[in-house]
Amino acid sequence: GAGVSQSPSNKVTEKGKDVELRCDPISGHTALYWYRQRLGQGLEFLIYFQGNSAPDKSGLPSDRFSAERTGESVSTLTIQRTQQEDSAVYLCASSHRTSGYNEQFFGPGTRLTVL
Amino acid sequence: DQQVKQNSPSLSVQEGRISILNCDYTNSMFDYFLWYKKYPAEGPTFLISISSIKDKNEDGRFTVFLNKSAKHLSLHIVPSQPGDSAVYFCAASGRGSTLGRLYFGRGTQLTVWP
Repeated sequence: GAGVSQSPSNKVTEKGKDVELRCDPISGHTALYWYRQRLGQGLEFLIYFQGNSAPDKSGLPSDRFSAERTGESVSTLTIQRTQQEDSAVYLCASSHRTSGYNEQFFGPGTRLTVL
Repeated sequence: DQQVKQNSPSLSVQEGRISILNCDYTNSMFDYFLWYKKYPAEGPTFLISISSIKDKNEDGRFTVFLNKSAKHLSLHIVPSQPGDSAVYFCAASGRGSTLGRLYFGRGTQLTVWP
């Protein structure tokens, strides 16, 4: 079946503009995560959605970052007033089980460049 | 504060030899560990995992060893193949954190040459 998809694959924007990144998780996966990877760094947790529960936003770096998810489907990550330090690859992952530990399936990522 | 550390940014190994990738962690609450492999322009793909109740898990050419007292784990690839060339990320998860949230190391670039 289809894996996690993300769009766009690449986004170049000017400093101060808003951007919206999209993630389509694997059908039936209840958990969805956003991570980012800045150059030379590991993956950094941003936000987690689990079903209809309130999302865990503890990883969001500032109030310019927000994310939404409709039910157990598509999620969008919005960055307002982008800054150059927001340049990174933004990765979305989804997983099936809601308890215990389980494999997360990653999308290909969106490479964001802020000029 | 980096809770998962991969101190070797790169490793070069000849085809057929063993590749050993290392990972250290600082948080004693971690009890589940994973290795992901990443090719350029692709998302990470799951490779192998281990629970803290075990000290070894094997899957084909890949074996992960866990030393809880040393807070250290390693991934062994035997025999190494050129197709194994990729960035390998160590990740950890555990009690007290967002369910399933993974903490990643910075990755090790493995190059397997013929």
